[in-house]
Amino acid sequence: GAGVSQTPSNKVTEKGKYVELRCDPISGHTALYWYRQSLGQGPEFLIYFQGTGAADDSGLPNDRFFAVRPEGSVSTLKIQRTERGDSAVYLCASSAEGFNNEQFFGPGTRLTVL
Amino acid sequence: AQSVTQLGSHVSVSEGALVLLRCNYSSSVPPYLFWYVQYPNQGLQLLLKYTTGATLVKGINGFEAEFKKSETSFHLTKPSAHMSDAAEYFCAVITSASKIIFGSGTRLSIRP
Repeated sequence: GAGVSQTPSNKVTEKGKYVELRCDPISGHTALYWYRQSLGQGPEFLIYFQGTGAADDSGLPNDRFFAVRPEGSVSTLKIQRTERGDSAVYLCASSAEGFNNEQFFGPGTRLTVL
Repeated sequence: AQSVTQLGSHVSVSEGALVLLRCNYSSSVPPYLFWYVQYPNQGLQLLLKYTTGATLVKGINGFEAEFKKSETSFHLTKPSAHMSDAAEYFCAVITSASKIIFGSGTRLSIRP
């Protein structure tokens, strides 16, 4: 596919469980971003990768959240010991290298923690 | 720190009427500003962006926005609303670290 894809589209889990959310960026895009969008709010930045390394992880809310991008393409956002407050839509975006290149967003993963 | 404020969480206009969605920004450096649209159950799509140069920016679907430094504003307009314009609209600014700071969004409804 030509766009950013995210899987799963929906994830329901129980409080305290571990979840992984996957993002496939546009082929060739070196920059990858994760955002979280709570109901009725705009997306909030979580973490930014340039290649394989996390260039900026200042948006991760706490140490239960972790993201990896081991080969500089696919990224996984991992949430440990989920809490009800983690329920949100998690958005992934990718862009070509360089400041201010357009970020292309995926459709998101809706996470519900019961 | 950079931020954006969107005035009005919900705007309703009649089909064919002017659309005006308000956005004010705060930035200590020349800002790069964006408007994104989010249709139900779809991803965010870039409508238009301002970086440098011409202050009136034209985007897709007939939308445009004007960067006014003196007013720290970047309001989004469309002369004539269409039913298909119903969506959530987000104003945003990009930081020097390449992360986007979004406003809280404005839901646009179109009355027949």
